[in-house]
Amino acid sequence: GAVVSQHPSRVICKSGTSVKIECRSLDFQATTMFWYRQFPKQSLMLMATSNEGSKATYEQGVEKDKFLINHASLTLSTLTVTSAHPEDSSFYICSAVRPGGGNQPQHFGDGTRLSIL
Amino acid sequence: GQNIDQPTEMTATEGAIVQINCTYQTSGFNGLFWYQQHAGEAPTFLSYNVLDGLEEKGRFSSFLSRSKGYSYLLLKELQMKDSASYLCAVRDSNYQLIWGAGTKLIIKP
Repeated sequence: GAVVSQHPSRVICKSGTSVKIECRSLDFQATTMFWYRQFPKQSLMLMATSNEGSKATYEQGVEKDKFLINHASLTLSTLTVTSAHPEDSSFYICSAVRPGGGNQPQHFGDGTRLSIL
Repeated sequence: GQNIDQPTEMTATEGAIVQINCTYQTSGFNGLFWYQQHAGEAPTFLSYNVLDGLEEKGRFSSFLSRSKGYSYLLLKELQMKDSASYLCAVRDSNYQLIWGAGTKLIIKP
């Protein structure tokens, strides 16, 4: 069954709207979660690493004021795209690693397809 | 810099075998992962290699040679549902995942 849950699966909204995406680890506690963005026919791009109880670590070129990340609990991280514009339209995917050793893979949520009109 | 190379696209026939290669140059090595991603969906985990050799899991196998910085994913008895992108990812010395661009596999009847 699903290990990581992500909601909503799809969002269509007007330019200037802020959109919040939730990522939950379902049966384990995740001190770290990852947020990715993927444009059509392109590879996954890591946006930021979400750390429970502390600030997120953003990748170079990702605006932290534009993409707000909150990891308030061990099972929930949220990504808020503030004042979204059409160029922010993309597929956003979160992932988490189950504790238990170095062989644990990242498990992905189902992704959120964001369309800004 | 860190780099992962895999072919952009491959085509194979239903019922056949296909091998998808991945070469990497990273700052340290703490494991290599293969993921499958169907169009419009999130990636799903396929396999993990940290020691040299072959890991078999049903129709899928993954091989690793750390000295060569090389891995491959072998898919046997191909089915139409195997049409997807296959992503190679390496965990570096900082336990950061470095992703390849993915190989789009097209299966023909």
